[in-house]
Amino acid sequence: AQSVTQPDIHITVSEGASLELRCNYSYGATPYLFWYVQSPGQGLQLLLKYFSGDTLVQGIKGFEAEFKRSQSSFNLRKPSVHWSDAAEYFCAVGVFFGNEKLTFGTGTRLTIIP
Amino acid sequence: DAMVIQNPRYQVTQFGKPVTLSCSQTLNHNVMYWYQQKSSQAPKLLFHYYDKDFNNEADTPDNFQSRRPNTSFCFLDIRSPGLGDAAMYLCATSSGTVSNQPQHFGDGTRLSIL
Repeated sequence: AQSVTQPDIHITVSEGASLELRCNYSYGATPYLFWYVQSPGQGLQLLLKYFSGDTLVQGIKGFEAEFKRSQSSFNLRKPSVHWSDAAEYFCAVGVFFGNEKLTFGTGTRLTIIP
Repeated sequence: DAMVIQNPRYQVTQFGKPVTLSCSQTLNHNVMYWYQQKSSQAPKLLFHYYDKDFNNEADTPDNFQSRRPNTSFCFLDIRSPGLGDAAMYLCATSSGTVSNQPQHFGDGTRLSIL
């Protein structure tokens, strides 16, 4: 079965600094990979997704993620964070066929300091 | 704007008193999902509908039931809520069951048990 690990429970970054959130997955083939963001008290919003092709994926709000097969990773990056980026970030994996569900990581809480 | 709407945003019920949460969508998506998310945890899939076909996760308690009377609406019924059922309940939709179709989430209903 597939699994997702987000090693960092909580990250604090200064406003304007760069950001990288880590995500590692476990699956026998190339999975579908997603990053979602959840603001306090709200549902999840899709930031970006990877299915195939270019391993550098651009998303909304200035985020990007890079799929690295050799490292089984799909890390999320942003060159300069804004106070409004403070939220919980979830990485998720879906299998290619047969299993209709996503498996979410446990999330990384991002705090932005002035 | 097309969206996923959950009502109410906050629900308080008594221990053992049945409660129903509702979800509606204007996306005309075939698939509707219900997730349970406890504090600082990843969303956990309870079940999903593909059209009228119901798919229950193996570890979803029998206390949780769902109804989908039409494409637009889906309900989560908790027959006898226990203290451990206090959580955020998220509804999501997608246009297909193959996992490359992104899921669109509502803002959730936060359920408290007295």
